[in-house]
Formats: sequence, C-alpha cells, structure tokens
Amino acid sequence: GQNIDQPTEMTATEGAIVQINCTYQTSGFNGLFWYQQHAGEAPTFLSYNVLDGLEEKGRFSSFLSRSKGYSYLLLKELQMKDSASYLCAVRDSNYQLIWGAGTKLIIKP
Amino acid sequence: DVKVTQSSRYLVKRTGEKVFLECVQDMDHENMFWYRQDPGLGLRLIYFSYDVKMKEKGDIPEGYSVSREKKERFSLILESASTNQTSMYLCASSLGPGTQYFGPGTRLTVL
Repeated sequence: GQNIDQPTEMTATEGAIVQINCTYQTSGFNGLFWYQQHAGEAPTFLSYNVLDGLEEKGRFSSFLSRSKGYSYLLLKELQMKDSASYLCAVRDSNYQLIWGAGTKLIIKP
Repeated sequence: DVKVTQSSRYLVKRTGEKVFLECVQDMDHENMFWYRQDPGLGLRLIYFSYDVKMKEKGDIPEGYSVSREKKERFSLILESASTNQTSMYLCASSLGPGTQYFGPGTRLTVL
C-alpha cells in the first residue's frame, strides 16, 4: 500500500531551527509537496521537490532524496506565527496526491 | 492570486438530511477536488473532476456524490447525512497536475 509517515507533533523554541521529516512509500513518484495549515484554516502551499537536493525559499527549505524515500522541511529563525501543522504529500504514478497526517509544530517563547 | 471559496465555514445538519457543499474557483483551473480531513488522518480524497461534467471517484466516495456543471464550480452532495460524515471538508483546484490550492474549508457537524 501507499504510506506517508511524519511525526505527529514537535516542539521548538522561538528563534531556533526545526527539521520536520517525511518518509514515503508510494506507487511511483512525481513530486513531493509541503503545505502549512494553521488551526481551522486551509492548507497553503509551501514547497515542491521533484529532483534530489535542497530547495531554499527564505526561512524555509525542503530537501528530497528519492532513493531513500525521504524528505524534510527545515524552518529557520522560528517565529510564533510558524505554529501550525505541516503536511507532506507525494504525487504518485497516477498524479494523485497521497497525504501524510501532518506534523503539529508548537513554538514556545 | 488563486481564490477558492466554499459556501459555508460551519454547517450543522441532522441525520438523513441532504447536504450540499459548494466550491467555486476563479482561476480557470481544469481540476477540482473534494477532500475530508479528520484528526490523526491525512487528507482523504472523496471525488475529483478533470473537466466539466466529468467526475472520478477518490479513495472514499461512499455516501457522497458530486456535480460539475460549470468549470468554476464543483459541488459535493451528501445524499443522506450520517454522523460519521461529521468532518472538515476541503475543496481544492489545480491547473493540470500542478499545485493544488485550497478553499477555507467547511466544518460539517451531523447530529
């Protein structure tokens, strides 16, 4: 079957760095997405990786290793507004998105 | 900016009622999707559509139907609401197989 694994919850301190991991087993691979979802709101697109390596976008970076079925989202200089759930999703061979359950990130002052 | 809107943020219905959830996008996207989101589970795809009057079943279509009469509008229908359909419902759209953009969600409670 298809499976996306992420930690359920993580806690970090304001100003610090946090890495959220995502491992996947899917039927085919056509890209990996990271979304941010604040409580009670819609998911919003953060990043997309289809080739191995690191994609940097301001304070957020996303890494992909297709051979290991692994990605991470790196958040630097954490701010209180980064408290949210972070969703990992893989696009499979049918171009359908398979979603992880999300990682709830709690930022403490 | 892509805008996806949903008809209601919160909805309370009784068991057995017919429920309509509406979604409208303003970016001329071909693809539209309906998901439900429950605590501890990933987003689960109910139905999707690649074109007007076209629909495809997702992973959990049972108890739901959809309608897409116009390109910008995709409706989700619960023919006879049940308590296990209490959930957050999210609509999304995309241009081809690209990034999906989400509406604000409808939190449905079935009593």
